[in-house]
Amino acid sequence: NAGVTQTPKFRVLKTGQSMTLLCAQDMNHEYMYWYRQDPGMGLRLIHYSVGEGTTAKGEVPDGYNVSRLKKQNFLLGLESAAPSQTSVYFCASSRNRGYTFGSGTRLTVV
Amino acid sequence: AQSVTQLDSQVPVFEEAPVELRCNYSSSVSVYLFWYVQYPNQGLQLLLKYLSGSTLVESINGFEAEFNKSQTSFHLRKPSVHISDTAEYFCAVVNAGGTSYGKLTFGQGTILTVHP
Repeated sequence: NAGVTQTPKFRVLKTGQSMTLLCAQDMNHEYMYWYRQDPGMGLRLIHYSVGEGTTAKGEVPDGYNVSRLKKQNFLLGLESAAPSQTSVYFCASSRNRGYTFGSGTRLTVV
Repeated sequence: AQSVTQLDSQVPVFEEAPVELRCNYSSSVSVYLFWYVQYPNQGLQLLLKYLSGSTLVESINGFEAEFNKSQTSFHLRKPSVHISDTAEYFCAVVNAGGTSYGKLTFGQGTILTVHP
């Protein structure tokens, strides 16, 4: 029972570099989400997906892109990283208001 | 759209004392409510949730929360805390109706620190 797996767990990027965060779930959940967590701000929704091939913007989408080519995977991309994107990123999946979170990716942009 | 306000950013308390972490929400539709706990350098774990039925919900480790619709609150309480309860706690809401892919909206978090 892996649940939701995020890779990598840690990453340091230089300003302007690009990277992709991978989220994989094995529960056959239809809905998936990417959140970022910053001190004193809780978790804020970046993008979400209601099914394979569909994505939508959340509360803080600027600077990020996502793709859901397969139902079990939800990718978050940073095309040109900025220091403001230093954060902890959490992926989640859900069915019937039951949510499962990954363990997070700690990203530092220098 | 919903919003969640956790009224205390930090709550220090001594071991075995009672604690209340306050959560208020705003929504134009019916909501489900959640409390999540995050231990240092870990992910989020569901502590308890209110979907329907009894307005008082309990967790397996002694926490409880009461849904108060008139006051739009979902405060978290524990009668006697332990050192191991030191963590950050997040209140979250999602719309109860409409599509079933409801997006969770989180509060800012409350850091509970239990001192010996």
